[in-house]
Parts: sequence; C-alpha cells; structure tokens
Amino acid sequence: EVQLVESGGGLVQPGGSLRLSCAASGFTLSSYEMNWVRQAPGKGLECISYISSSSGTIYYADSVKGRFTISRDNAKDSLYLQMNSLRAEDTAIYYCARDNYKSLDVWGKGTMVTVSS
Amino acid sequence: QSALTQPRSVSGSPGQSVTISCAGTSGDIGAYTYLSWYQQHPGKVPKLMIYHVNKRPSGVPDRFSGSKSGNTASLTISGLQAEDEADYYCCSYAGSYTMLFGGGTTVTVL
Repeated sequence: EVQLVESGGGLVQPGGSLRLSCAASGFTLSSYEMNWVRQAPGKGLECISYISSSSGTIYYADSVKGRFTISRDNAKDSLYLQMNSLRAEDTAIYYCARDNYKSLDVWGKGTMVTVSS
Repeated sequence: QSALTQPRSVSGSPGQSVTISCAGTSGDIGAYTYLSWYQQHPGKVPKLMIYHVNKRPSGVPDRFSGSKSGNTASLTISGLQAEDEADYYCCSYAGSYTMLFGGGTTVTVL
C-alpha cells in the first residue's frame, strides 16, 4: 500500500524548534518530488515547501522562508522539515504530499504543530 | 503570489449539479494545465479528485469533472450525493516550483 506517515509534531513555545519527518512506503520515494502542505485550524491549505527528487531544487513560501528547511533521505525513504523560530501563526496540521506532475496524489494523515506559551 | 479565489460555499439538492469556480491569473491558472482539485471531509485528509484540469484518478466517480477557460477553472459535481458534502480546494502550479491553493469552497447537500 502506498503510504506516507508524518511524525514529530507537538506543542512548542514561540521561538522554539521542531523537526517533522515523513516516512514513505509502498513506492520509491526517490522517483518523486515532494511537498509539505499545512492547514491552520479552521483554515485552508497552504503549500509551504517543495523539494525535487534529487534535492537539487527547493522552494519555500514567503511565510516560512529563512525559518524552515526541507530535506530528504531517499535511502531511508524519508522527507523532513526542520522548523525554527516558530510563531503562533505556524500552528497547523502539517501534511507531507507526493507530487505527481504537479498534482498531490498521496497525502499523509498529518501531524499537529501547536506553537503556544 | 495570492491564493486563488473560490466562492465560500455552494449548495444543491441531491441529484442536482453544482459548479465551483476558481479564479486565478495569467501567471498561474492561465499559464499552466497543472490544475487540480481536492476534496476534504471534516477532520479528514485532502483527497485528489481532479488533476491536469480534467483528469480523474482511478476510483473517483465520473460525476466529478473539471474544466478551464482562461484564468478560471471549474469543478462540476453532477448528480449530487450526500457523501459529496465536503470542502473543495483548487490548486494551480504558478511557476518557480510554487503551488497555489484556493481558499476552499464548502459544498452543502440540501
């Protein structure tokens, strides 16, 4: 079964850091571009970061640029998101999603990040 | 870039058709055929319903169809069913590895 499973979310104070992981199974991660998408409580979807299959190209939305770092380890079938200098507005469910020619065809169940003192 | 523009809500009776619009610009919807639609039931994970403007993934009913004209895309649900009640999001590639979502539309089955 094709699957993505996120982990690493939790409660963190403003200014703190978290590292999210996304484990892929049922397909070869190295063949796909990947994205992180977040959804604040009661709000819509926001694509915040992209990474190409070889990590050669990376993109960040302005809302996270300079604070978040996306990476991947194809040998471990894993995707990561290092989040630093967290703010209250970063509170959201964070999904990893497989990018299949610019359509997000496989999503994980998400991991909740809450930034609060 | 700004998010794509969708109506907040649409509604219809069972069996009717509803259409959700998604307005963008010449730099996103107007420039690419990488236009997709996602369905999200409350508390659930988004699900890909339409990709590349009008293609359906395996398992998605043919009641769902997509189209695009200029800078505006549309999702039509024909023969509306109770289980179609959900939030729907459009998403367009906008160049430079950017993907823009719409604000979402809540479909209510009356």
